[in-house]
Amino acid sequence: DIQLTQSPSFLSASVGDRVTITCRASQGISSYLAWYQQKPGKAPKLLIYAASTLQSGVPSRFSGSGSGTEFTLTISSLQPEDFATYYCQQLNSPFTFGPGTKVDIK
Amino acid sequence: QVQLVQSGAEVKKPGSSVKVSCKASGGTFSSYTISWVRQAPGQGLEWMGRIIPIFGTANYAQKFQGRVTITADESTSTAYMELSSLRSEDTAVYYCARDEIAAAGMKVYYYMDVWGKGTTVTVSS
Repeated sequence: DIQLTQSPSFLSASVGDRVTITCRASQGISSYLAWYQQKPGKAPKLLIYAASTLQSGVPSRFSGSGSGTEFTLTISSLQPEDFATYYCQQLNSPFTFGPGTKVDIK
Repeated sequence: QVQLVQSGAEVKKPGSSVKVSCKASGGTFSSYTISWVRQAPGQGLEWMGRIIPIFGTANYAQKFQGRVTITADESTSTAYMELSSLRSEDTAVYYCARDEIAAAGMKVYYYMDVWGKGTTVTVSS
């Protein structure tokens, strides 16, 4: 199975900061990658699919890039509602998730 | 607008089985796949497997092979996930999610755009 790693695993940031999270795959996955946001006690929410396509209704401060084995999720200006845990997921079956990156208030 | 409604919380004994349901409303049930994802307390997301209702075919993560069975009933637009030989480590929130598809040229991209609210399964003696 394809393994995903995320860095950092924990990130402390302030409102207005630019935040970048990296996801690396153990082998090339083209652009078969999605990003999700999860808040405590809630189901994950899709942010980005196909590595860089913004899901409908998701604010444009979120963006994704990358292809092959290295991907990034960027939040251009962190808002109070963005403090959450972020997961990448590769979608070559069998699907797998990264371990998550928790974004906390500085 | 597709919504996924999951069955209620379960408490099970070690060694027993649990069957969680996920009823879809809106959309055409047979036109998409349903995945199951679990999350143990304080842990990350773990994909378990998925089913293509129109074909009735399922594929599973290797970790759960032989212990999980995912099925679907098109007549009621409901997917099911049954996990057997339960142990304490199976205590988790179990989510179903719709695997939507986007086609771009020759490529087909899956993504999980609609999620159920989750079903808590507690395994305890």
